[in-house]
Order: sequence, then C-alpha cells, then structure tokens
Amino acid sequence: GAGVSQSPRYKVAKRGQDVALRCDPISGHVSLFWYQQALGQGPEFLTYFQNEAQLDKSGLPSDRFFAERPEGSVSTLKIQRTQQEDSAVYLCASTSPGWASDTQYFGPGTRLTVL
Amino acid sequence: EDQVTQSPEALRLQEGESSSLNCSYTVSGLRGLFWYRQDPGKGPEFLFTLYSAGEEKEKERLKATLTKKESFLHITAPKPEDSATYLCAVQVKTSGSRLTFGEGTQLTVNP
Repeated sequence: GAGVSQSPRYKVAKRGQDVALRCDPISGHVSLFWYQQALGQGPEFLTYFQNEAQLDKSGLPSDRFFAERPEGSVSTLKIQRTQQEDSAVYLCASTSPGWASDTQYFGPGTRLTVL
Repeated sequence: EDQVTQSPEALRLQEGESSSLNCSYTVSGLRGLFWYRQDPGKGPEFLFTLYSAGEEKEKERLKATLTKKESFLHITAPKPEDSATYLCAVQVKTSGSRLTFGEGTQLTVNP
C-alpha cells in the first residue's frame, strides 16, 4: 500500500518568508509525528498528534513553528518568518496504535533551505 | 535526560567483511529500541524493534541484539547495497510515543 507522502520535497525560502509543509500519513494511521533532521544528525522530535489532537508539542523550537491536523488525517507544519537556522529536512512519520511500542513509518521528508 | 550514542560515526568495510555497529543508551525506562536505515535523500526505513534485554532479531545479513545498556547491529558478509546510515532510536516510558535518535553510523561497503 501507499506509504507516508510529503510535499513539497524541496522548498527554498527567503529569510522572513512563511512556509507550509504537508504530510499525508498512511491510511488509517491514528498517530502522526514531525521530526527535524539537520545535516549529518539524527532526527529530532518536534510534535505529535493522535487523530486531530496535538498531544505533545514540546519539541517545537519556537513559537514560529505551528502544526495542525484538523481532520485527523493530513497534517501541515507551518514555519513563520523563517530563519537560516530553520534549514533542515522535515520528516513526518505515522503509526497505527498497537501493543507496547509502535513502529513509526517515515515519509521521504521535505528539505527546507532558507537563504 | 535520555541519551542515545552511536559508534562509530563512520565505518568503511570491504565486501564480505563482517562488523558491528553500537548504540548505547541512558534512559529512564525503555519501552523499545528501534533500528532504522536511511539512504541519502530518503526518510528512515524501519528495520527492527527490540523490547527487552536478551532479545535478538534477524533480517537477511543483519542481526540486532539488546542488553540493558546497549544494542548492537551485526552485519554479516555485507554487500555494497548495505551502504547507508544506520540510525538507532529509543522510545521511553515517560516520554510518550516520541523517538529519541542517535546521530547515526554511516556505513560504506566497498566492492
């Protein structure tokens, strides 16, 4: 079946612009995660949704970052007034609830470059 | 604070030369330890989940093991197509469902 999809795959923004990154999770997956991956580093947690509820947003680096999932499926990560330090790959993952630990399946990511 | 440390940062092997990657962790209550493979320009691809010390899982040339302090990813007779970055991540009982990743080991297998 189809995996997690993200769009756009690449985004170039001028410093100060707002950007919106989209994630389509695997159909039927209840939980959705956003991670930020800097070059040469492991992914870092940003935020987590269960259905439409944002249960954990403790990883968002500043109030310029905002995420939503209004209907419990597609999610959008919005970054306002982008800064150069926001340049990274933004990964989305989804999982279906199950026993103990749930395997998270990742999309291909959106590479954001802020000039 | 939960910490995950992977070593080495980079590993270069000849085809057929077996080796191991290490993931050491310091967490307050492990729910699960995950191994992912990541190719350039792609998202992490799930390999294994380990839940308790002593557990082992295998897939083709890869075998993952877990102790109370670390996990190993053993690669037997690697092939060039095994070249990738291997990421280790932990899920902690007190941190909900989030994953905490190490920085990865970049593996290169030369023909």
